[in-house]
Amino acid sequence: ILNVEQSPQSLHVQEGDSTNFTCSFPSSNFYALHWYRWETAKSPEALFVMTLNGDEKKKGRISATLNTKEGYSYLYIKGSQPEDSATYLCAFTSGALNFGKGTSLLVTP
Amino acid sequence: DAEITQSPRHKITETGRQVTLACHQTWNHNNMFWYRQDLGHGLRLIHYSYGVHDTNKGEVSDGYSVSRSNTEDLPLTLESAASSQTSVYFCASSESGRSYEQYFGPGTRLTVT
Repeated sequence: ILNVEQSPQSLHVQEGDSTNFTCSFPSSNFYALHWYRWETAKSPEALFVMTLNGDEKKKGRISATLNTKEGYSYLYIKGSQPEDSATYLCAFTSGALNFGKGTSLLVTP
Repeated sequence: DAEITQSPRHKITETGRQVTLACHQTWNHNNMFWYRQDLGHGLRLIHYSYGVHDTNKGEVSDGYSVSRSNTEDLPLTLESAASSQTSVYFCASSESGRSYEQYFGPGTRLTVT
């Protein structure tokens, strides 16, 4: 079992605030780091898959960075909107995916 | 459009009964996965398959089995349902390789009484 840690566990921000979360993972035997967005009563949806140290990916107001040598990834949301409210999961793979427990984000108007 | 479906969406069963949850994908993906979601644990891997006739145990495989007879389907069987197996079960699939995003089904809520 590979330990994937996410912080904070939950976050409550106001509309318009920018925010970021952290995912920590084992730095050995790295293949890929995934970020998923999971809305209540729905299924997880992939945001990013990153494989190279120094990778940066962006999708609209959401971006992510990857540091495989020290074993962490950051997810950033710029100008949070209420529709960004969801749980954000990261998952590390050296074989099958090992998921963290997620960061639950609530954005209020 | 390609999709991944699960059935049933909700199931109530009694302790000791055998239960099978279906997962069907039309993406033609080689990789398929079963997870369970529990409060405080997030998503935990039960079993996975990298192709027809290939199956592998995940983190929480005890009490579960899978078989892969074709590309499209990976049914999950609870041999003798226990109350500890009350959970929401998600199936997922992805292209071959470890760097591809997974596509998740809608989930099956299983209650064992």
